[in-house]
Amino acid sequence: AQSVAQPEDQVNVAEGNPLTVKCTYSVSGNPYLFWYVQYPNRGLQFLLKYITGDNLVKGSYGFEAEFNKSQTSFHLKKPSALVSDSALYFCAVRDIRKASGTYKYIFGTGTRLKVLA
Amino acid sequence: ETGVTQTPRHLVMGMTNKKSLKCEQHLGHNAMYWYKQSAKKPLELMFVYSLEERVENNSVPSRFSPECPNSSHLFLHLHTLQPEDSALYLCASSQTSGRLNNEQFFGPGTRLTVL
Repeated sequence: AQSVAQPEDQVNVAEGNPLTVKCTYSVSGNPYLFWYVQYPNRGLQFLLKYITGDNLVKGSYGFEAEFNKSQTSFHLKKPSALVSDSALYFCAVRDIRKASGTYKYIFGTGTRLKVLA
Repeated sequence: ETGVTQTPRHLVMGMTNKKSLKCEQHLGHNAMYWYKQSAKKPLELMFVYSLEERVENNSVPSRFSPECPNSSHLFLHLHTLQPEDSALYLCASSQTSGRLNNEQFFGPGTRLTVL
């Protein structure tokens, strides 16, 4: 079965410093990987996705993620953190395609990012 | 705004009440989803509708009853809930088309408290 793991419940980083939020995956076949962000009292917002191609994927708000097949990882990164980046971040993998044509997405448990001024 | 709206944003109900959550998407998508989000747990997929037909029901108790009257609207009818059902309920939509791997768009959620 497809799965993702986010090993850190919380990540603290000082404003202006680079940030990394970790995600590892386990899939059969080619992985389709996603990052979402959730701000307080809001739903999840799509940040970026990896389907194929370059291992470095660029997304919204200056975020990027690096796909590493040998390490089965898809870590989220940003060169310089902002206080406004403080939120809950979810990694997700697309599950196998259903006969109906829909896909199920498996989400990690989330990592709370706290950027300190 | 993601193009997916949910009402109400907050709901407090007793265990004997009947209420409904509403979701509407303005994106022209053909698949809609209900998720339950509880603290320190992964998002739990509850139901999936594709072209208004329920295609997934992840062992959800019968006190939760979904309804999808058309591709833009999704409801979750609630009846005799338990306190452990208190959570944030998220609606999402996506476009499924052949090999497209489109991301999901989420609504802001309904924060449900069962007393």
